[in-house]
Amino acid sequence: AQSVSQHNHHVILSEAASLELGCNYSYGGTVNLFWYVQYPGQHLQLLLKYFSGDPLVKGIKGFEAEFIKSKFSFNLRKPSVQWSDTAEYFCAVNAGSWGGGADGLTFGKGTHLIIQP
Amino acid sequence: EPEVTQTPSHQVTQMGQEVILRCVPISNHLYFYWYRQILGQKVEFLVSFYNNEISEKSEIFDDQFSVERPDGSNFTLKIRSTKLEDSAMYFCATKRTSGGTDTQYFGPGTRLTVL
Repeated sequence: AQSVSQHNHHVILSEAASLELGCNYSYGGTVNLFWYVQYPGQHLQLLLKYFSGDPLVKGIKGFEAEFIKSKFSFNLRKPSVQWSDTAEYFCAVNAGSWGGGADGLTFGKGTHLIIQP
Repeated sequence: EPEVTQTPSHQVTQMGQEVILRCVPISNHLYFYWYRQILGQKVEFLVSFYNNEISEKSEIFDDQFSVERPDGSNFTLKIRSTKLEDSAMYFCATKRTSGGTDTQYFGPGTRLTVL
């Protein structure tokens, strides 16, 4: 069974600080990796995803993540955060090979990021 | 505009009652998913649905739960006899392929409160 671990449950940063949120997964096979964001009062939105190829993926709003297979990690980064980045961030995985709709996502517990102006 | 809408946004029910949560995709999607998030806990996969049948379900999705797509557009989650521990946010998601990869797009959720 898959599992996802997010190391930081609460992170508080000042504007313009650099951000790195940790995500490690446990799964024996090929995986697809995702970061979703949930802004206050809004639904889950996709930030970025990794399926294959270049392990450094770029997403929306200046976010990027690096897949390090040897470390089973997919950490999210942003060089300079803004107050509007305040949100809940979720790392998720599903099996890389699938049939039909058998690709339910396994989520981490989330990281609550607060950016102070 | 979101890919998926959900109704109701908030449902309050008494323990033991049946509830039906609805999901309406904006475009003609074929893959559907239900997830739930108990307050303070992580988002958990419940079930996936494709071609009018369940593709995959988790341990949470027991006999109290059922899904269907009765009219070819709405996708529903029914909880037959609600329990206090069913109180949670329930998210519907649909899948779309873009650039050769698949992404699940989530609806805004239904907050279910069981009293």
